[in-house]
Amino acid sequence: ETGVTQTPRHLVMGMTNKKSLKCEQHLGHNAMYWYKQSAKKPLELMFVYSLEERVENNSVPSRFSPECPNSSHLFLHLHTLQPEDSALYLCASSQSGVNSYNEQFFGPGTRLTVL
Amino acid sequence: GQNIDQPTEMTATEGAIVQINCTYQTSGFNGLFWYQQHAGEAPTFLSYNVLDGLEEKGRFSSFLSRSKGYSYLLLKELQMKDSASYLCAVRDRTEGFQKLVFGTGTRLLVSP
Repeated sequence: ETGVTQTPRHLVMGMTNKKSLKCEQHLGHNAMYWYKQSAKKPLELMFVYSLEERVENNSVPSRFSPECPNSSHLFLHLHTLQPEDSALYLCASSQSGVNSYNEQFFGPGTRLTVL
Repeated sequence: GQNIDQPTEMTATEGAIVQINCTYQTSGFNGLFWYQQHAGEAPTFLSYNVLDGLEEKGRFSSFLSRSKGYSYLLLKELQMKDSASYLCAVRDRTEGFQKLVFGTGTRLLVSP
């Protein structure tokens, strides 16, 4: 248990579906992240939220839409996905600041399959 | 740009010592992390280096040379449960916000 939870753990969806991934952190952190992990590729940073403001959008297609309603919750809304979007989606959180080394705590991930 | 290289796979036997290397190129280096990730699970933090030298934490140690853009993770007295992927990640601040850039990971298989 890292203090970061994600739901659902597994998701199968068609290309025309709309679904959302949810992440919640119980660590009092002020930054949250979405990563994509595909086989044989590095963890790819998708979005970063710091103090509930998006500070990074790493050239992610618009079919992925993040939402951060407060510092404990992060969503990733999915629509019109492609089969190549099938991957493990990881959420992480950290405490950012001058005196922090920004260790990130990861959730267990959502295994997404797009048919 | 940023580039992080580490071997794809390594094998070792129980009780042995293994060293996993990581080389990196980044213009805004601000620390290096090692994470462990078991299959189907979240990455978990192992170590952090920002200054040159060796950091020891039980059976695991991590070394950093900033001038060479090089780090290694040393695992001693290997156990079967150490079979996992080991991710090297560099904290980069070139784009105005500190973020982690990950390597592809090294899959370690420990055999009896």
